[in-house]
Amino acid sequence: DIVMTQSPDSLAVSLGERATINCKSSQSVLYSSKNTNYVVWYQKKPGQPPKVLIYWASTRASGVPDRFSGSGSGTDFTLTISSLQAEDVAVYYCQQFYDNALYTFGQGTKLEIK
Amino acid sequence: QVQLEQSGAEVKKPGASVKVSCKASGYTFTGYYLHWVRQAPGQPLEWVGWINPKTGGTSYGKKFQGRVTMTRDTSISTAYLDLTKLRSDDTAAYYCGREMYTSSPMGCDFWGQGTLVTVSS
Repeated sequence: DIVMTQSPDSLAVSLGERATINCKSSQSVLYSSKNTNYVVWYQKKPGQPPKVLIYWASTRASGVPDRFSGSGSGTDFTLTISSLQAEDVAVYYCQQFYDNALYTFGQGTKLEIK
Repeated sequence: QVQLEQSGAEVKKPGASVKVSCKASGYTFTGYYLHWVRQAPGQPLEWVGWINPKTGGTSYGKKFQGRVTMTRDTSISTAYLDLTKLRSDDTAAYYCGREMYTSSPMGCDFWGQGTLVTVSS
C-alpha cells in the first residue's frame, strides 16, 4: 500500500504570508509512461465536502485562485499558498491516484491564522 | 449543472447495515467513476472505494473489504454504498465524489453534500 505522509500536522501562518505543506509518498507515484504524477491536493472545511485544488501534482483545478500552487515529482510533493487569506483556513489533504486499488490520503494538515 | 444528491442521515445500531445513495444529475452518469470517501469526527479523510457506473466494476479499500458493497442503478443515475456489520467507529460523514479523467485521473471535482451515519446502541 502507498502511504502518504504529510508535514507538518498543523501550521499557523500570518495573513498575507506564505504557507507550505509537504506530502511524501512511500513509493513513487509518477506514472512514467505518461510522465504524470498521480497526486491530488484537496481543501476540506468543516461540514463541507472536499474541494480539489491541484491535480497531477501541479495543475490548478478550474476556478482555484492562483495563490495555490503545487510542485514535486516522484515521492515528494508540496502545496504552497503564496499569500494566505482568511478563507484559506482549512485542513489540506494530499491523495494518490497511482494505486487504483487503494487511493490513499495523507493524514491532513490543519492550516490556521497566526 | 452537475449535482450529486445524497440520501439523508442515518442512525444505526452496532451490527446493523446501512445503505447510502448518491443520485447524479447534469452529466452522463456512466461516463465517470464515483468514489466514496468518509470522515469520522476529528479524523482525516478516508477513501472507501470506487465504482465504475458503466460496468459496475468496483475497488474497495482493504479496511472495508468483506463489509462494503458498491452498486449502481443506471436507469436512475444512482450509486449506492452498502456497509454491513456496523461498528461505532463507522460513525462518519460519507461523501460520494465524481472522478475527473482525461488522459489520467484528476481527483474528484464534484461531491455530494455528505451523509452522516451514526452508529450507536
